[in-house]
Amino acid sequence: DSGVTQTPKHLITATGQRVTLRCSPRSGDLSVYWYQQSLDQGLQFLIQYYNGEERAKGNILERFSAQQFPDLHSELNLSSLELGDSALYFCASSGGQAYGYTFGSGTRLTVV
Amino acid sequence: AQKVTQAQTEISVVEKEDVTLDCVYETRDTTYYLFWYKQPPSGELVFLIRRNSFDEQNEISGRYSWNFQKSTSSFNFTITASQVVDSAVYFCALSEINTGNQFYFGTGTSLTVIP
Repeated sequence: DSGVTQTPKHLITATGQRVTLRCSPRSGDLSVYWYQQSLDQGLQFLIQYYNGEERAKGNILERFSAQQFPDLHSELNLSSLELGDSALYFCASSGGQAYGYTFGSGTRLTVV
Repeated sequence: AQKVTQAQTEISVVEKEDVTLDCVYETRDTTYYLFWYKQPPSGELVFLIRRNSFDEQNEISGRYSWNFQKSTSSFNFTITASQVVDSAVYFCALSEINTGNQFYFGTGTSLTVIP
């Protein structure tokens, strides 16, 4: 157990739907990062939150949004889903660069 | 531009052979971190090593070793006496202190160890 918890592990949904992926960071980590791993795009950074505030944005689509709550857990919301959104979504948390970076086990999203 | 390049897409070796996975990175920062992760078929990302830009010492951990050379911007990973359990996709990643510590991943090298 890495200490970063992602739920659900698997999700199958239809095109046009909306889903929410959840991440609980490792205890004490203030930063949460979201990554998408798809077959054609590889592992890509989506967005980072630090202590509730958005810190950095990567290749995140406008249909996607995220937030980090006061208890530091984070949610990634994916809406108007398309087949191409099928991917493995990873969350990672960090207590700072000197403290390393821990990945969750991922949520596998399949859009049918 | 790709910040991390893993030129080897797929490698196959016979069990007990040594194999080196190449990683070349690009950064203008003087402070950065380099990582290797293993992704087995189950999908999780398994942390292997983290190296900061000020520490060019090579590292050995069991059958794994890493060669960090700033002069060539490379951080190569060698598996000695490979085993079937080493079959996985291996990712090299760069984290820059000036860009919020997000990871820039290479495209990965898929290693197959044939028994």
